[in-house]
Amino acid sequence: SYVLTQPPSVSVAPGKTARITCDRNNIGSKRVHWYQQKPGQAPVLVIYYDSDRPSGIPERFSGSNSGNTATLTISRVEAGDEADYYCQVWDSSSDHFFVFGTGTKVTVL
Amino acid sequence: EVQLVESGGGLVQPGGSLRLSCAASGFTFNSYTMHWVRQAPGKGLEWVSYITSSSNTIYYADSVKGRFTISRDNANNSLYLQMNSLRAEDTAVYYCARPQTTVTTTWFDPWGQGTLVIVSS
Repeated sequence: SYVLTQPPSVSVAPGKTARITCDRNNIGSKRVHWYQQKPGQAPVLVIYYDSDRPSGIPERFSGSNSGNTATLTISRVEAGDEADYYCQVWDSSSDHFFVFGTGTKVTVL
Repeated sequence: EVQLVESGGGLVQPGGSLRLSCAASGFTFNSYTMHWVRQAPGKGLEWVSYITSSSNTIYYADSVKGRFTISRDNANNSLYLQMNSLRAEDTAVYYCARPQTTVTTTWFDPWGQGTLVIVSS
């Protein structure tokens, strides 16, 4: 099956940098998108097309994608960044088409 | 402002049926493919189905194929998901989502607030 593997959890102190990875063989050949989901809320797009930010998303959020790993980086982490984060790709060769990562819980210490 | 508002969730017995609705506003609904995505309690996101703007093309995840039917009413800016033969594993929050699509990829923005479906006896 088509799996995008993320670490279950990442802990980070306020003001530091959090890096969330999304692993799959040759994911660098796909475009990766990232969503933030706070408890009881719907997902919100924070990065699309590997590294583009929607309007309204702080510059502290950035993305990269190469080889077998895509990465969401949150700089100068704030308490309000505590949430679950999911990567997502579209793969027309897969019968799943729209695949989400396993999700990462970011905890701000 | 783009808005998606789901409704129709609730408690249903195994084997039962439920019809979810998603009311869209703030954009030209009949120009967009639309999707359903679900999230089981405490679990990750799972894509369920999509329907193109003119309903010409429809796809389902294997987990719901043959049991769920997606449809839309462009005159009323509404998206639907008819769910039959429901199982306990269909218990989830169901989101409708608007895609943004290029030649090489698709992402979802925005999402509705979701509607909870509980399948239990």
